[in-house]
Amino acid sequence: ETGVTQSPTHLIKTRGQQVTLRCSSQSGHNTVSWYQQALGQGPQFIFQYYREEENGRGNFPPRFSGLQFPNYSSELNVNALELDDSALYLCASSLSRGNTGELFFGEGSRLTVL
Amino acid sequence: DAKTTQPPSMDCAEGRAANLPCNHSTISGNEYVYWYRQIHSQGPQYIIHGLKNNETNEMASLIITEDRKSSTLILPHATLRDTAVYYCIVRVVGPDTGNQFYFGTGTSLTVIP
Repeated sequence: ETGVTQSPTHLIKTRGQQVTLRCSSQSGHNTVSWYQQALGQGPQFIFQYYREEENGRGNFPPRFSGLQFPNYSSELNVNALELDDSALYLCASSLSRGNTGELFFGEGSRLTVL
Repeated sequence: DAKTTQPPSMDCAEGRAANLPCNHSTISGNEYVYWYRQIHSQGPQYIIHGLKNNETNEMASLIITEDRKSSTLILPHATLRDTAVYYCIVRVVGPDTGNQFYFGTGTSLTVIP
């Protein structure tokens, strides 16, 4: 148990729809990162939020967007869903932006796009 | 661009040491090596990390070569519960990049009774 919770755990959407995934970080952690993990692949960095601002982004299009709230919880939004967006979406929290400590991952939200 | 390269799969006998190799030949001087494992598509679980020196904790040991181009994760006495996918990761930190973990494709370790 890492203390990072994600919802929903599973969901099914159709192409073109929009989805919002939610994450509650571990108590005291002020940084949240989101990763996409396609089947059989390692997780890929989407973006990171620190003090409610995006401060790092991977190679993902603008239709992937996020928010971080004052309580450090976070949302990942994906617009205009495509079939290739089907994946496990992982949220990870950590103590601060640049420390050497680990990321604490949630169990993920599995998105299926039909 | 893949920053780490790992063998796709390995077997290990229960009770023996499991040695998982990783190549990270393009790693920069301030980039850490992390190891995580993932069981049954659950969230990845932290194992160990290091910069230059060898590291040991209650779960594993991490051996990093002097040129830092490769490393080996050692599970000293593998159990059936160690069966998982093990990821070697390079951690990149920058003012514009944030704190990014670059995962490889992982090694699927099977511990055999």
